[in-house]
Amino acid sequence: EAQVTQNPRYLITVTGKKLTVTCSQNMNHEYMSWYRQDPGLGLRQIYYSMNVEVTDKGDVPEGYKVSRKEKRNFPLILESPSPNQTSLYFCASSLAHNSPLHFGNGTRLTVT
Amino acid sequence: SQQGEEDPQALSIQEGENATMNCSYKTSINNLQWYRQNSGRGLVHLILIRSNEREKHSGRLRVTLDTSKKSSSLLITASRAADTASYFCATDRSGGGADGLTFGKGTHLIIQP
Repeated sequence: EAQVTQNPRYLITVTGKKLTVTCSQNMNHEYMSWYRQDPGLGLRQIYYSMNVEVTDKGDVPEGYKVSRKEKRNFPLILESPSPNQTSLYFCASSLAHNSPLHFGNGTRLTVT
Repeated sequence: SQQGEEDPQALSIQEGENATMNCSYKTSINNLQWYRQNSGRGLVHLILIRSNEREKHSGRLRVTLDTSKKSSSLLITASRAADTASYFCATDRSGGGADGLTFGKGTHLIIQP
């Protein structure tokens, strides 16, 4: 089944404790992206990747890192999480950068 | 930065009625897409309309695009309880800057049985 898999689904952590949210897709998609969704603000793009070893900042990249060492994986790294990064995070992939996106089921992160 | 804005923010109708949602955007686009999100879940792509198209259909969905007014509408005909969800429009960024789709804040649609 074609899918984007994110883990974990829920994560509660404390300020400053490094964490990684994994994302994997099985559709051989070139393009991958991370979004965060907050009430009243909608979805905002954090980082995106056009292909392996090619990543770039979205609209709200501060406090986040990503890597794209393999085509299928695009982990999101929070080196020192802060409470303002409490949010619902979505990974998505597509054939090309403006093609329809396939979304994962989301990771709900709480930073205390 | 947000490109598209949906209107209304929330809409409640009776099952069987038609639901219309609107999206306005600011800069030129290559295509506009509509997505559905069931509560807290990932978004699901519904339909894509290119800038040179004016109308597109998919099952009970009808999308229109007016590039002169920088607006689009999504019509769901003969609504069902299962259509209850949030609906988002998304536009690409043909004007440069960061790449990928930008999403509006969504219309929350409730279908009353």
